[in-house]
Amino acid sequence: DIVMTQSPDSLAVSLGERATINCKSSQSLLYISNNKNYLTWYQQKPGQPPKLLISWASTRESGVPDRFSGSGSGTDFTLTISSLQAEDVAVYYCQQYYDTPPTFGRGTKVEIK
Amino acid sequence: QVQLVESGGGVVQPGESLRLSCAASGFAFSSFGIHWVRQAPGKGLEWVAFIRHDGSNQFYADSVKGRFTISRDNSKNMLYLQVNSLRAEDTAIYYCVKAYSRTSYYFDYWGQGTLVTVSS
Repeated sequence: DIVMTQSPDSLAVSLGERATINCKSSQSLLYISNNKNYLTWYQQKPGQPPKLLISWASTRESGVPDRFSGSGSGTDFTLTISSLQAEDVAVYYCQQYYDTPPTFGRGTKVEIK
Repeated sequence: QVQLVESGGGVVQPGESLRLSCAASGFAFSSFGIHWVRQAPGKGLEWVAFIRHDGSNQFYADSVKGRFTISRDNSKNMLYLQVNSLRAEDTAIYYCVKAYSRTSYYFDYWGQGTLVTVSS
């Protein structure tokens, strides 16, 4: 199985500041034939199911604020929240869908400093 | 809008069975694969099972293979998960999750989940 390693486990960021979450996969998620990275990011707020934020490593879903961005390729990926808002307090998960079984990172908890 | 509503969870003893259901609406159910993903209390996410859009193939996590069975009824827009021989480690919220496409393993819509508690 592909192992997804997220870092840090948690971070506290001041309102309006940048939050950066890293995700590393144990093998490349880049499918050469279509040049796409098979990685998603989800946001899970307390008591709610996860919500899809970003697919294909960098494609923001409709309705997701543009302060959320995804980057990276191959085995190293990043989710950036450019200006943290109070409503962004959540746990963020990366997930690979390059191979089965699909696997998730352990999550990064984002809090307000 | 897409809606996925799970039901059937509850408190059971080890070794017992449950049938989880998921009622889907707001999209062409028969055109999309559907997954079950679970989350143990306070823990991360674990993929459990997948069924293709037409029910022709099912896939399972090793941790549930042989004990869980995923099925669907496209005429009723319903998804099911038969969970047998339950263990304490199966305690989790079980989410019904829509796949991005017929065969995709990424998840664009999630239900609210149904809680399964396995305890003696």
